Amino acid sequence: GQNIDQPTEMTATEGAIVQINCTYQTSGFNGLFWYQQHAGEAPTFLSYNVLDGLEEKGRFSSFLSRSKGYSYLLLKELQMKDSASYLCAVRDSYSGAGSYQLTFGKGTKLSVIP
Amino acid sequence: GAVVSQHPSRVICKSGTSVKIECRSLDFQATTMFWYRQFPKQSLMLMATSNEGSKATYEQGVEKDKFLINHASLTLSTLTVTSAHPEDSSFYICSARGLNHNEQFFGPGTRLTVL
Repeated sequence: GQNIDQPTEMTATEGAIVQINCTYQTSGFNGLFWYQQHAGEAPTFLSYNVLDGLEEKGRFSSFLSRSKGYSYLLLKELQMKDSASYLCAVRDSYSGAGSYQLTFGKGTKLSVIP
Repeated sequence: GAVVSQHPSRVICKSGTSVKIECRSLDFQATTMFWYRQFPKQSLMLMATSNEGSKATYEQGVEKDKFLINHASLTLSTLTVTSAHPEDSSFYICSARGLNHNEQFFGPGTRLTVL
């Protein structure tokens, strides 16, 4: 099974940098995803890490350490529209259902204040 | 990115009725589709995984006779909530992945309210 932990809520100031951490304990691992979800909407894909290290994509970066079971999402130059929940999700190894499955953390609700 | 649509976006029904939710991949062939449920302030919980042309695999605790999933084509999967009850009220989200995709693409979700 999978256990994924991330902080419940965070607050940061517009223009600042915020780091959202995610730790996981898994029976199998085939990649870690970060999604953004605004209230009442479906998640949208932000990043994917399967190897150790940092992946950068504009204002968003994601880091993975497989040996530590740890990832973080870094958001730079925060904007008010970045206020949302950020979901960490781990993909299993092959599940036998013909595909890999994502298990989601409970999400971190980020509030960006002026 | 690839587009996944869901219909309807909102549905309100009476207790005891059945509701069908459609999930379509618009510009790619979805070899695998996933159905999730999300209660307020909770994370997405996987209900079932379906591969085109085969029976869905349900997660533990999800009743397959209550939540009927059909994945008859590479672009369409349906979830039917049979004999819906107020406790089935939730946000249902589908996602789809094609053969050469790493990521899952999510539909916009369906808000189900059972009175």
